[in-house]
Amino acid sequence: STELTQPPSVSVSPGQTARITCSGDALSKQYGYWYQQKPGLAPVLMIYKDSERPSGIPERFSGSSSGTTVTLTISGVQAEDEADYYCQSADTIGTWVFGGGTKLTVL
Amino acid sequence: EEQLVQSGAEVKKSGESLKISCKGSARTFNNHFVGWVRQVPGKGLEWMGHIYAGDSDTRYNPSFRGQVTISADKSNRTAFLHWDKLRASDTAIYWCVRQQGSQWLAAFDIWGQGTVVSVSS
Repeated sequence: STELTQPPSVSVSPGQTARITCSGDALSKQYGYWYQQKPGLAPVLMIYKDSERPSGIPERFSGSSSGTTVTLTISGVQAEDEADYYCQSADTIGTWVFGGGTKLTVL
Repeated sequence: EEQLVQSGAEVKKSGESLKISCKGSARTFNNHFVGWVRQVPGKGLEWMGHIYAGDSDTRYNPSFRGQVTISADKSNRTAFLHWDKLRASDTAIYWCVRQQGSQWLAAFDIWGQGTVVSVSS
């Protein structure tokens, strides 16, 4: 079955750059997507098709892809960016899978 | 802009049946895939399946096939998630999600407010 692997946690100081990776064989064939979830709230789409940013998402959020890894980069991290981040991709049989999630802590 | 409004929290016992709903606000609801995502308390997101409301084309995560049924009423722009027999392990928040565009391979751009389901044994 398709699996996506994320680091459980990432810590960064305000103003620095945070990078969250997501790895899996499916990512060499399918796009990666990223969602932000704050406590008690629904997830929010942050990045789609590896690097596209929906309207309303701050420019400090960006995405990239290389081989079997996609990366979410947050430049100039702010306190409000502290959240769980999930990557997502699809497999060839038409089903979706999420990574295990990464807790971003802003020190 | 589309909004998804889900039915309220449920408290049930093991073995009982349950159907929760997700109503779309826009006329375009039937032109999108609408799906369900499970989140066990303190855990991550799990895609359960989705349905194209326009023609009821449905796909399931193999882990959930046979455990739940996804359906839709396109005249009322509503999607449903149904259990015949609940188990305590079904305790979770269930998110309704709309996918961009009309293809199955599209991001989950709109999320409902979530429905909390609590099942006691």
